[in-house]
Amino acid sequence: GQNIDQPTEMTATEGAIVQINCTYQTSGFNGLFWYQQHAGEAPTFLSYNVLDGLEEKGRFSSFLSRSKGYSYLLLKELQMKDSASYLCAVRDSNYQLIWGAGTKLIIKP
Amino acid sequence: DTAVSQTPKYLVTQMGNDKSIKCEQNLGHDTMYWYKQDSKKFLKIMFSYNNKELIINETVPNRFSPKSPDKAHLNLHINSLELGDSAVYFCASSQELSGANVLTFGAGSRLTVL
Repeated sequence: GQNIDQPTEMTATEGAIVQINCTYQTSGFNGLFWYQQHAGEAPTFLSYNVLDGLEEKGRFSSFLSRSKGYSYLLLKELQMKDSASYLCAVRDSNYQLIWGAGTKLIIKP
Repeated sequence: DTAVSQTPKYLVTQMGNDKSIKCEQNLGHDTMYWYKQDSKKFLKIMFSYNNKELIINETVPNRFSPKSPDKAHLNLHINSLELGDSAVYFCASSQELSGANVLTFGAGSRLTVL
């Protein structure tokens, strides 16, 4: 079966750095996405990786290793507004998105 | 301007009723979707639809049916509601962007079946 694993919850301190990991086992691979979802709101697109390596976008970076079936989302200079769930999703060989359950990130002052 | 709008935002109803959730997108996207997010927060695709093709997740009961009057609208109709249908339903649309099929979601419709 297809599977996306992420930690259920993480806690970090304002101003710090946090890394949210995602491992996947899917039938084929056509890209990995990270979305942010604030409580009670819609998911919003953060990043897309299809080749190995690091993609940087401001305070957020996303890394991919296809051989290891692994990605992480790195958030720097954490702000209180970064408190949200972070969803990892992989597009499989049929171009269907397989979603993880999300990691709830709690930022403390 | 709201890019993907869905109504109603909240829906409380009795088992056995029939209900609809409407979705409209003004982004000019070709593909629209319905997702279900349950209490465990998993997002599960229910339908994807463009001008040419309706793709149905085979695990979705046939009590659920998408209706698309035109490219900008994809409504969700649910017959004979059951307790397990309680969830948040998200409409989304997508566009290919440098190889990525980025989804834009609506704000969600929270359905509670009593």
